[in-house]
Amino acid sequence: GENVEQHPSTLSVQEGDSAVIKCTYSDSASNYFPWYKQELGKRPQLIIDIRSNVGEKKDQRIAVTLNKTAKHFSLHITETQPEDSAVYFCAANNQAGTALIFGKGTTLSVSS
Amino acid sequence: GAGVSQSPRYKVAKRGQDVALRCDPISGHVSLFWYQQALGQGPEFLTYFQNEAQLDKSGLPSDRFFAERPEGSVSTLKIQRTQQEDSAVYLCASSLGSTDLNTEAFFGQGTRLTVV
Repeated sequence: GENVEQHPSTLSVQEGDSAVIKCTYSDSASNYFPWYKQELGKRPQLIIDIRSNVGEKKDQRIAVTLNKTAKHFSLHITETQPEDSAVYFCAANNQAGTALIFGKGTTLSVSS
Repeated sequence: GAGVSQSPRYKVAKRGQDVALRCDPISGHVSLFWYQQALGQGPEFLTYFQNEAQLDKSGLPSDRFFAERPEGSVSTLKIQRTQQEDSAVYLCASSLGSTDLNTEAFFGQGTRLTVV
């Protein structure tokens, strides 16, 4: 079945710096790759997603890139702010289309 | 409704006790998912419903776990004879799409289960 690996597990940056989180997936049939942000004690919330027919998508300070050949995708956050501090999860859908398989998460800390 | 609603928010169960966790998805959402999230980990898939049909239960860890969605809206996850390793946050999510997962999955706030 689908397996999603996420790196790094923790990331500390200064306010204004960029942050990059990388994920790899195993199932070549996966075609949907969302990113979720989860603040402490709260529900995961979608911040951006990408489908397999595009290589890059941007929404203000957040961008995601997808390399289907290499089976990896990345989240880029520019001009980081303290409120970006949270746990970020990447995910990929399984071949059957019945589940999102999540990575183990990256704890991002932005210090001012 | 405003979003996916789960109850209770917190549940403490004695080992061996049965528990039932409830999920109210967003009205009209076809797909419903249950996930288990251990402390410091990502959500782990448990089961998937398309309307009232349970199409995937491959993630249920044992036959002590049972889920239903009899009328295609509210869902209940039941855990029988709870064990300490069942302690986790149980997340429910719903999405508008059916088997096409290219639509956003909205999560509830979860039920934190602690087995003592």
